[in-house]
Amino acid sequence: DTGVSQDPRHKITKRGQNVTFRCDPISEHNRLYWYRQTLGQGPEFLTYFQNEAQLEKSRLLSDRFSAERPKGSFSTLEIQRTEQGDSAMYLCASSQDTVQETQYFGPGTRLLVL
Amino acid sequence: AQSVTQLDSQVPVFEEAPVELRCNYSSSVSVYLFWYVQYPNQGLQLLLKYLSGSTLVESINGFEAEFNKSQTSFHLRKPSVHISDTAEYFCAVTRSGSARQLTFGSGTQLTVLP
Repeated sequence: DTGVSQDPRHKITKRGQNVTFRCDPISEHNRLYWYRQTLGQGPEFLTYFQNEAQLEKSRLLSDRFSAERPKGSFSTLEIQRTEQGDSAMYLCASSQDTVQETQYFGPGTRLLVL
Repeated sequence: AQSVTQLDSQVPVFEEAPVELRCNYSSSVSVYLFWYVQYPNQGLQLLLKYLSGSTLVESINGFEAEFNKSQTSFHLRKPSVHISDTAEYFCAVTRSGSARQLTFGSGTQLTVLP
């Protein structure tokens, strides 16, 4: 069990640039979640996938954000035209589709927009 | 929708003393409850969870939490803390039966002092 992995672990970018993050879930997990965590706060839900289908999106996910999971395995989260307010930790979690599902989190990607 | 309130943002405690981290939730439907722990520079790790059955749940490292439906609480306790328990603790809730996104509290920083 290699756990959930995320890449990169840290990203510094200039305002207006596009960034893309990758998440590799635990291999047998068919659900994948993205959360955002700002300093001093708990994680906030952004979106989740069941296999390759994006089933739910938070109102936090503006149209500058897009997430994909093309083959139902890894996922990418892209932020276009980054703003300083996008600076945060972006967390990925995965789980199995069972009634008692437990979400397992990756280490996160810390984004700093200058 | 669900919400979580963690009443204490910082809890300092001396080593070997007992500790209680408070969590209250709000929901109009049945819920599952979770405690996650985040050590410095690491991702969120599941500490314990309540899904159904016994209202008292325990973790492998001596923490326990009790689900109290009438008080809508899920407080985390440990009778004797160690320096290594220093971390941020997050309470989270999701609706039961078809668990999807987690709603987190703002976290409690537990600092164990020598």
